[in-house]
Amino acid sequence: DGGITQSPKYLFRKEGQNVTLSCEQNLNHDAMYWYRQDPGQGLRLIYYSQIVNDFQKGDIAEGYSVSREKKESFPLTVTSAQKNPTAFYLCASSPTGRGDGYTFGSGTRLTVV
Amino acid sequence: GIQVEQSPPDLILQEGANSTLRCNFSDSVNNLQWFHQNPWGQLINLFYIPSGTKQNGRLSATTVATERYSLLYISSSQTTDSGVYFCAVLQTTGGGNKLTFGTGTQLKVEL
Repeated sequence: DGGITQSPKYLFRKEGQNVTLSCEQNLNHDAMYWYRQDPGQGLRLIYYSQIVNDFQKGDIAEGYSVSREKKESFPLTVTSAQKNPTAFYLCASSPTGRGDGYTFGSGTRLTVV
Repeated sequence: GIQVEQSPPDLILQEGANSTLRCNFSDSVNNLQWFHQNPWGQLINLFYIPSGTKQNGRLSATTVATERYSLLYISSSQTTDSGVYFCAVLQTTGGGNKLTFGTGTQLKVEL
């Protein structure tokens, strides 16, 4: 079955460490996205990519970095520069040029200890 | 940027009751979507509804784009309807399309 796989499901990080969250899709979607969700709040866009080797900053990109070397993969690195990294992170993908067809992964819950 | 507001923020229903969730947006859009997030965090797309009315089982949605709002109707609610309901609008930028989400309506359906 096609879908989006995020790993790991839970992640603990010490302050000052970088950590990378994985996102893989087999839907043949061109566009991929990373969102952050804090308790009781909506989703905020971190980065998005419409095509391989290209990506754009979203609304809250500071302290994060991404790469898009393959169509299927869009990993997110949470750097030590991110002041409040504890959150729920969701990856999504969609077909380019269409407004619908958004598919979300099951999320990674990151906790800084 | 565009603002997306949802109401009510929280809602508790008895099983079998009906409800209406509202989404207001601050600017003209040509794409609006409704999502359901279950208690485990998984987001599922319910409706892609830039205008008009759509129905899917006990759920239906109406968007009046000229008046900048959308409504999600839940009829004969069930405990499995619990979770958070988000509306999201699509913006087209130089870098491509991106969805902007509202803050959500937290729904709890009780027996």
